[in-house]
Amino acid sequence: DVKVTQSSRYLVKRTGEKVFLECVQDMDHENMFWYRQDPGLGLRLIYFSYDVKMKEKGDIPEGYSVSREKKERFSLILESASTNQTSMYLCASSPPTDRGNTEAFFGQGTRLTVV
Amino acid sequence: QKEVEQDPGPLSVPEGAIVSLNCTYSNSAFQYFMWYRQYSRKGPELLMYTYSSGNKEDGRFTAQVDKSSKYISLFIRDSQPSDSATYLCSRGSARQLTFGSGTQLTVLP
Repeated sequence: DVKVTQSSRYLVKRTGEKVFLECVQDMDHENMFWYRQDPGLGLRLIYFSYDVKMKEKGDIPEGYSVSREKKERFSLILESASTNQTSMYLCASSPPTDRGNTEAFFGQGTRLTVV
Repeated sequence: QKEVEQDPGPLSVPEGAIVSLNCTYSNSAFQYFMWYRQYSRKGPELLMYTYSSGNKEDGRFTAQVDKSSKYISLFIRDSQPSDSATYLCSRGSARQLTFGSGTQLTVLP
């Protein structure tokens, strides 16, 4: 069964802390993504990676960085957490395809609260 | 303008009703359109995808794309309380998916 696992369901961090969100997939997918989901704004892409050590900025990369040292693991880093980064964070992975259609498999999400 | 605009809802219907969920998109570059379903406190999961214009049916669900008007629809027949979820429309390529903001649907027993 396809699986994307995020390390935490709920996190509470203080303003200014460095925060690591971990994501692991067991499907040998090339593509991995980090989104944040906020009411009324939907899913917004933060970063994605299409290969080990490769990364590309999404729509809202400011205040975030990522790391992909191994194919199965994609980490999101909040360098200095701020209250406006309180959100639901979703990791996803997908296989490459030449046809254009792709099913993204999502983790269960991490609800991060920054106080 | 957002690439994918979705009716925000929330939408509440009685059990057995026909539900219509709608999105519009602005970029014609991508051919594939998808609907994801997200239950409360879960990640989204793919419900259906369609290619180009036309209808695609899967049980009680029908996905429709009208490329001339850039309109995407999902119809749910004989809606059930278990259909209560947030529905997200999406389009894109393998490397970048764009999502609508989601419509929260509640089916009342």
